[in-house]
This record gives sequence, C-alpha cells and structure tokens, in this order.
Amino acid sequence: DIVLTQSPALAVSLGQRATISCRASQSVSTSSYNFMNWYQQKPGQQPKLLIYESSNLASSLPARFSGSGSGTDFTLTINPVQADDIATYYCQQTRELPRTFGGGTKLELK
Amino acid sequence: QVKLLQSGAALVKPGASVKMSCKASGYTFTDYWVNWVKQSHGKSLEWIGEIFPNSGATKFNENFKGRATLTVDKSPSTAFMELSRLTSEDSAIYYCTRRDYYGSYIDFWGQGVMVTVSS
Repeated sequence: DIVLTQSPALAVSLGQRATISCRASQSVSTSSYNFMNWYQQKPGQQPKLLIYESSNLASSLPARFSGSGSGTDFTLTINPVQADDIATYYCQQTRELPRTFGGGTKLELK
Repeated sequence: QVKLLQSGAALVKPGASVKMSCKASGYTFTDYWVNWVKQSHGKSLEWIGEIFPNSGATKFNENFKGRATLTVDKSPSTAFMELSRLTSEDSAIYYCTRRDYYGSYIDFWGQGVMVTVSS
C-alpha cells in the first residue's frame, strides 16, 4: 500500500501562510495526472474536498486554498489563514488501490 | 443538491454484524461509484471499498475483504454496507461518499454513522 506521511500539527497565526505537506512512499503521478487530493475536516463534521489532482480547487472554495506537487511530494497552502480554517487536513492518493489517506495535519493557532 | 443521508448510530455486540444504509439524492445514483470510508476515534481515514450502482461492480481494501459486503438498491437510490465478525477495532465512524464522475477523488460525503462494538 502507498503510505502518505503528514506532520501531525502546524501552528500558524491568523493572516499568515500555512503550508501543509504530504509525502508518498512511492510516486502517485503519471505523465498526465497527479493523483493526490486534499480534504478538510472540522471537529464533529465529515471531511470536505478542498483540492483534487494536486492543484485543482474544488468548486465554491476560496482561492486562499491552493495545492501543488508531483511524484511523491505535495503541498497544500492556505494564504492567508482565517479563523474558519482551523481544522485537520488530510491528503489522499488515488493512484493505486487501496486508496490511502495521510494521518492528517491539525492546523492550530499560534 | 447532492445529499448522502446515512442511517443512525448502532451499538452491536462483538462477533455480530452491522448493516448501514446511505440514501443518495440530487444526482443520478447509478452513474457514480459509492465509496465507504472508516474513521476510528480521533484517527485518520481508511478506505474500505466502493460499488458502482449501475452494474454492482465492487472493489475492496484487502483489510476488509471478506468482512465488508457492499450492495445497492437502485430504487430508491440507496447503498448499503454490511460489516461482519465485528471486534472493538471496528468501533468507528463510517462514511458513505460519492466518487467524482471523471476522477477518483471523493466529492461528497455523508454525515457518517457511528458504530460502537461492545458487549
């Protein structure tokens, strides 16, 4: 199985940039696509899609969220961070079955 | 709008089975794969498997193969997951989700079903 590694937590100040990383144990990219997605989960809620295929913003989401990366290294950026962004963020690879998720990065306020 | 309405919480005994439902609305049910995802308390997410309602085709995580059964009822647009031979490790929230039509990512999530396995 492809293992996705995320830092457990990240502390950031409101209005600053947050950079959340996800590293895959093997490439999740092809020549055409990067099979990496990002989800946001707030306490007591279901996850919500943020970014698909590495860099595509899900519909109706603000441009403060962006994604990048290919191969084994991917990044979710939130700039600027707002109070409503305090949540846990998960990466997910869909290159191979089973589709796997990272352990999640909890975004906290400094 | 797309909605996935899941059944209520369940308390089940070790060794028993649990069957949960997921009623879809707001889109053509038979055109999209339904994925099931497990989230143990305070932990990450684990993909269980998926079913294509139009054909009944399924794919599973090997960790759940043989214990998870995925089915659908096209009318009324409802997906089901049955999990058997439950242990305390199966206590978790289970999400029914929709996979995007063109891609392999999840674009909508149900509200989740909390399953507690306890004697």
